[in-house]
Amino acid sequence: KNEVEQSPQNLTAQEGEFITINCSYSVGISALHWLQQHPGGGIVSLFMLSSGKKKHGRLIATINIQEKHSSLHITASHPRDSAVYICAVRVETSGSRLTFGEGTQLTVNP
Amino acid sequence: DAGVTQSPTHLIKTRGQHVTLRCSPISGHKSVSWYQQVLGQGPQFIFQYYEKEERGRGNFPDRFSARQFPNYSSELNVNALLLGDSALYLCASSRREIYYGYTFGSGTRLTVV
Repeated sequence: KNEVEQSPQNLTAQEGEFITINCSYSVGISALHWLQQHPGGGIVSLFMLSSGKKKHGRLIATINIQEKHSSLHITASHPRDSAVYICAVRVETSGSRLTFGEGTQLTVNP
Repeated sequence: DAGVTQSPTHLIKTRGQHVTLRCSPISGHKSVSWYQQVLGQGPQFIFQYYEKEERGRGNFPDRFSARQFPNYSSELNVNALLLGDSALYLCASSRREIYYGYTFGSGTRLTVV
C-alpha cells in the first residue's frame, strides 16, 4: 500500500464546476504539498500545508492532521485548470525528501 | 531570477550506455533533490544533496549516482542504462536542507531504446 493515496485517479468536469481532489496518507508528516503538473512535465508548487487551510485565487487546500487527510478544491473550474494534481508529503523520519501520490488527472471541458 | 534549470530537456540513449543529467538550482538554493517519474506514476525520490554532501538516497541501484558542485549545481549519472530507466527526471531545489519550500525544474525526458 502506498504511503500517499489520492482519489480520484481521473476526473472530468464541466467548466464552472466545483472540484475536489483527496489525499490520504498513512505516516507521520511534517508538511504536505499540493503540486500541479502540466503535459511536458514541469511541476508547479501550489500549496504547502502543515495545518488548517490555505486559499490562493480559486484554489483552496485543507488538511486534517488527526485524520491524515487533505483536500484540494478548485472553484469555478476552467479548461486551463486541466493538469495532473499531485499530493506529496514530507515524512517526519525521512528528512526533506518528498513522498508523492500518483496524481489525479483533471480534465475540464468547456 | 531564473528558475531551476535542467539540461538536456530530452534525450534518447541505447541500453547499456551512460547518461549525465544536469541541474542548476535557483540562486541562493543550496539543496538539490532528484526524482524519477515513470509515465503514469508519481515521482520517486532518488537523491538529495546539500552543501555538496549526499543527505539522502532513495531505493535505487548503484548504477545511479550524483554529485553537487561548489556552485550548488548537480549532476545525476546513470550507468548501464536499462529500458526501465526511461522516465522524466526531475530536479528540485530549496534554500536549506530542511526547508519546506521547493522549486522544481521542467525535467529531462530520458528514453532508453
